[in-house]
Amino acid sequence: DAKTTQPPSMDCAEGRAANLPCNHSTISGNEYVYWYRQIHSQGPQYIIHGLKNNETNEMASLIITEDRKSSTLILPHATLRDTAVYYCIVRVAWADDMRFGAGTRLTVKP
Amino acid sequence: EAGVTQFPSHSVIEKGQTVTLRCDPISGHDNLYWYRRVMGKEIKFLLHFVKESKQDESGMPNNRFLAERTGGTYSTLKVQPAELEDSGVYFCASAKAQNSYEQYFGPGTRLTVT
Repeated sequence: DAKTTQPPSMDCAEGRAANLPCNHSTISGNEYVYWYRQIHSQGPQYIIHGLKNNETNEMASLIITEDRKSSTLILPHATLRDTAVYYCIVRVAWADDMRFGAGTRLTVKP
Repeated sequence: EAGVTQFPSHSVIEKGQTVTLRCDPISGHDNLYWYRRVMGKEIKFLLHFVKESKQDESGMPNNRFLAERTGGTYSTLKVQPAELEDSGVYFCASAKAQNSYEQYFGPGTRLTVT
């Protein structure tokens, strides 16, 4: 599976958009980009995933560059409850596991 | 619909003792996964069940760890004998299909070995 690189930490003001970047320059054509998050003392939670098109759901938007070497998770209106560690994961659809890296610790501040 | 549940939420045992962790997946989910995060490290995959069969157990650290899923419903993860380095949080996840994009995680069991 391709490796991902994320900044270790980011801050965001409450009510503003949080843009979390992820680099995956070695991604292969059949690998998807997944985003999960872990709020303190809870298990990881699925947010969104995509292959090459931009995706949006009720939680977030995922922007994938045309060459698929990087992506950005966007939380449009961050709240204090969005404070968490966010993981960008690249994997093929049929893989057994989710390979979590170190993630980005997002702190939403009032 | 109930989510993935894990029991106990916390366990404190002494080195050399045995501990059994339990995971109840979401009803109807054939795929069940175990992960763990040991102190200061990343969340790591341990193994994957499809129904009662082990699909992939490449992440199991050593033979002190035994996972079972008799009947293809709940699963147990036994650590025997426990060592200090086994301390961490053990997560269980389930998914309806192997290629499901979403694995549903339980809250985890925090294991402390003293």
